[in-house]
Amino acid sequence: TQLLEQSPQFLSIQEGENLTVYCNSSSVFSSLQWYRQEPGEGPVLLVTVVTGGEVKKLKRLTFQFGDARKDSSLHITAAQPGDTGLYLCAGTNSGTYKYIFGTGTRLKVLA
Amino acid sequence: NAGVMQNPRHLVRRRGQEARLRCSPMKGHSHVYWYRQLPEEGLKFMVYLQKENIIDESGMPKERFSAEFPKEGPSILRIQQVVRGDSAAYFCASSLASGGASLYEQYFGPGTRLTVT
Repeated sequence: TQLLEQSPQFLSIQEGENLTVYCNSSSVFSSLQWYRQEPGEGPVLLVTVVTGGEVKKLKRLTFQFGDARKDSSLHITAAQPGDTGLYLCAGTNSGTYKYIFGTGTRLKVLA
Repeated sequence: NAGVMQNPRHLVRRRGQEARLRCSPMKGHSHVYWYRQLPEEGLKFMVYLQKENIIDESGMPKERFSAEFPKEGPSILRIQQVVRGDSAAYFCASSLASGGASLYEQYFGPGTRLTVT
């Protein structure tokens, strides 16, 4: 069974600080998605990474897919209160539709 | 609004009643997925449907739960004889297709929060 473990589970930081969230597995995935979910809302897709070693930037967010495609990280620079939410990674395999969701990281950015 | 739509957003049912959750996929998307999320937990896959076909229902309880995606109209997740343990947020997602990296990106609706009293 493929599992995705995210760390840390909870993170509370001050506005302006940097942080990194990790998504790890012992299995290889052909692609990995990152979502952010705010309370009472559905997950919003942030990025898809498909190539080992790939780095994608979305404003202050930097996503990296591990060389072996077993792990990924999300780095946020100068966090803002608007970054608060549940960050979820999801892995998929080539030719399949099924997402394996990670356990999630709850981020709170204090003003 | 071109996004995935779900209704109702909130649904309260007494034990033993039926719950019907509706999902309209994004325009042009023909693949629909249903997930369940319990408080403080991640998303659990329930069922994957294409128009008029159930492709994979391996995550859906065999009793009381059913799903459909008719040729016309929204996808429906039906829960019969609800119990307190069915209380959760139910999310629908849709994708353009399946198999290729960008084609199967799933876009989520706002969810239906079911409370069973």
